[in-house]
Amino acid sequence: AQSVTQLDSQVPVFEEAPVELRCNYSSSVSVYLFWYVQYPNQGLQLLLKYLSGSTLVKGINGFEAEFNKSQTSFHLRKPSVHISDTAEYFCAVNSGYSTLTFGKGTMLLVSP
Amino acid sequence: NAGVTQTPKFRILKIGQSMTLQCTQDMNHNYMYWYRQDPGMGLKLIYYSVGAGITDKGEVPNGYNVSRSTTEDFPLRLELAAPSQTSVYFCASSGSKLAGEETQYFGPGTRLLVL
Repeated sequence: AQSVTQLDSQVPVFEEAPVELRCNYSSSVSVYLFWYVQYPNQGLQLLLKYLSGSTLVKGINGFEAEFNKSQTSFHLRKPSVHISDTAEYFCAVNSGYSTLTFGKGTMLLVSP
Repeated sequence: NAGVTQTPKFRILKIGQSMTLQCTQDMNHNYMYWYRQDPGMGLKLIYYSVGAGITDKGEVPNGYNVSRSTTEDFPLRLELAAPSQTSVYFCASSGSKLAGEETQYFGPGTRLLVL
């Protein structure tokens, strides 16, 4: 069975500082990995995804993530965050032919 | 192109009442999903559908029913509302035959409170 662990429930950071949101997964099938973002009172939207190829994936809004097969990780990074990045971030892994398993989420809190 | 739309946005139910959460997508996607989101628990899959006339249970299907008579619509039915069903419900859709690779597009959610 597939599972996703997001190691931090909240990550506070100051504006313009770098940030890393951690995600570890377990899977018995070929892995496709996703990061979604949820702004307050909205649905989720895709930040980036890893399907195959280069292990460094670039997404929207300056975010990137690195797939590390040996460590079963897919950590999300941004070199300099903005107040507008305050949101909840979800890591997800494919859990079958057509479904995803989501982590519990990490709330990124950016303060001035 | 509205994407995925959900109605209502917010609803209060009494214990034992029933209701249907509506979900419509205009992207001609084959795959549709219903999730519930509870604080600190992430998203849990309730039901999903791989095409009109085909539905399957997700991780937490008890207390819910779905149908998929058209490609566009995927309503979620609560027959006997219970306080444990207080949650935010999201509908999502994705295209392509290789749905495990595809981006899921989410609606804005329905907040349900059962008292």
